[in-house]
Amino acid sequence: IAGITQAPTSQILAAGRRMTLRCTQDMRHNAMYWYRQDLGLGLRLIHYSNTAGTTGKGEVPDGYSVSRANTDDFPLTLASAVPSQTSVYFCASSPTGTNEKLFFGSGTQLSVL
Amino acid sequence: KNQVEQSPQSLIILEGKNCTLQCNYTVSPFSNLRWYKQDTGRGPVSLTIMTFSENTKSNGRYTATLDADTKQSSLHITASQLSDSASYICVVSPGSNYKLTFGKGTLLTVNP
Repeated sequence: IAGITQAPTSQILAAGRRMTLRCTQDMRHNAMYWYRQDLGLGLRLIHYSNTAGTTGKGEVPDGYSVSRANTDDFPLTLASAVPSQTSVYFCASSPTGTNEKLFFGSGTQLSVL
Repeated sequence: KNQVEQSPQSLIILEGKNCTLQCNYTVSPFSNLRWYKQDTGRGPVSLTIMTFSENTKSNGRYTATLDADTKQSSLHITASQLSDSASYICVVSPGSNYKLTFGKGTLLTVNP
């Protein structure tokens, strides 16, 4: 049982470079999410997708973009990375966008230098 | 502004002991409150979800309580084990998973 798979596990990136974080789920969940987790802060929503073909902005969307071409994949792209994007990124999913629990991936540790 | 405050920030207990973690929230509207366990280097894993009408919910040695009137919740861990060492995160939902408010977590360390 895979659940949610994120790749890479960790990455060191030079500022200004483009980076795509990958997220794949095998639970056929309609809703998917990207969060960032920083020391001393709660998880913050970057972008979400209610269903394939639709996306929405979360609390901290600037500098990030997402796409949802199919149910299983939800990549997160940093077009031009900046040091403030150094963080741990978690992808999550739920059957719908309402009151079910979220299932999280294991995270991607990203360092932008 | 919606907020979820957790206490204590960190806690160290001996294996076999019980402990209680606190969560106070000022989130409106309110639909449900969730507790997650996050092991170091891993993503959060759901422990419980409680709606407005539920006062208590258990998941093995974990028991969550909710007082919607005072906007407080607690997570009680019974007979702690070394594997309980983790961060415990309180999350409040207004009814949409796109508007969750996360607490900063309580870091629990269980020592032998």
